[in-house]
This record gives sequence, structure tokens and C-alpha cells, in this order.
Amino acid sequence: KAGVTQTPRYLIKTRGQQVTLSCSPISGHRSVSWYQQTPGQGLQFLFEYFSETQRNKGNFPGRFSGRQFSNSRSEMNVSTLELGDSALYLCASRDSGSSDTQYFGPGTRLTVL
Amino acid sequence: QKEVEQNSGPLSVPEGAIASLNCTYSDRGSQSFFWYRQYSGKSPELIMFIYSNGDKEDGRFTAQLNKASQYVSLLIRDSQPSDSATYLCAVNAVGRRALTFGSGTRLQVQP
Repeated sequence: KAGVTQTPRYLIKTRGQQVTLSCSPISGHRSVSWYQQTPGQGLQFLFEYFSETQRNKGNFPGRFSGRQFSNSRSEMNVSTLELGDSALYLCASRDSGSSDTQYFGPGTRLTVL
Repeated sequence: QKEVEQNSGPLSVPEGAIASLNCTYSDRGSQSFFWYRQYSGKSPELIMFIYSNGDKEDGRFTAQLNKASQYVSLLIRDSQPSDSATYLCAVNAVGRRALTFGSGTRLQVQP
């Protein structure tokens, strides 16, 4: 099976702009979670989607949002970018509602100037 | 107190030795435990998961879980230079469906 794919891999934006990141889970996986990784805060959970519904949300401001489509692909949007949003954004795929095992995609490296 | 704590390292071991990586967690409701390996500039790669107290072995890797002590560890036998990476401990509490990660331990295997 192909792994989790994320696009784009690298992105440079300026403060105040918005950005949309995309994630395609492993075929057959219906759960997609998003994480932010920074040197200072480590890996932090953003939100999880399952069957097009957000099931869980981390402690991030409302500028961070997401959605999931009927084919399980997910997008994450960050509006009004701040310098502190520079990070590696990781998408993780899970095969069912009962399994906890998550598999990560390669990530999108976002740089905000 | 952080929910998941790891020594940041670096932990330096000679090639062929056993590397021991440790992790403690604060949420007694945690039920599943994961070890991920992350090379510099790459995304985390799942190494092992463990749900029950005791040891779980997979090749050169052994995960150990002690829920009473809220402690999980990863042993890497016959360490190789290619094992040099940051090892992330993650836990998942019942119903949370979100992994809480430690800050990671950087392992250096010296040839």
C-alpha cells in the first residue's frame, strides 16, 4: 500500500497570508490527524477527522481549521499566518476508529516570513 | 509537569551496545504506548507499540511497559550507526484519539 502523502512538501508564506495543506491517508484508512512540530514545543496535536467529522481538537487558536472529504483526504488551513506558525505540519493516518496506531506522512515544512 | 517526559539526551552508545531509552507519563488513563524514530529532517516512523504490562520484542527492539510506575522504555540491541536518530515516546488515553508526544531522546551510536 502507498503511504500517507502530503502536499506541498515545502511552503514559504508571509505574515497575514493564509495557507492550505493537503493530506491523503493510506488507502482504506478513514482517520486523519494533524500535528504541528516545532523545535520549542515538539509535536502537538491539532485535530482529528474521521468520516468527514472532526472528532477531537487540540489547543490551537481558531485560525487553524481543517476538513475531510468523502474519499478521506484531508486539508488543513491556517489563516492570518504568524511567524510562530513556521513548523513542520504532519498528517497521520489510522486504519479504523478502534486502532490507535498512527502512520505519519512526510510532512509539509511551512516557513512564515 | 509535562504529560510525557523523556530525557533529551544525547544518549551516546558504542556500536553493538544496548541503547536504553526511557519515558514516563502522567495520565494513568493512558492505554496505548508508541515509540517512533525520527531522522533529522524526516517525519516520525513507527517502531513499536505496546498495550500490556511487560515486554514486547520485535527484532532488535524491545518495548517495556510498567503501568503501575507509569513508565515505558525502548531497548535497542546491537545498536548500529543507522539507529542514530531522535526517538519519540507517545501515549494515547482512552477516548482521546490523539497522541501526546514526549520531546524525544536523541540517540548517537558511535562507530
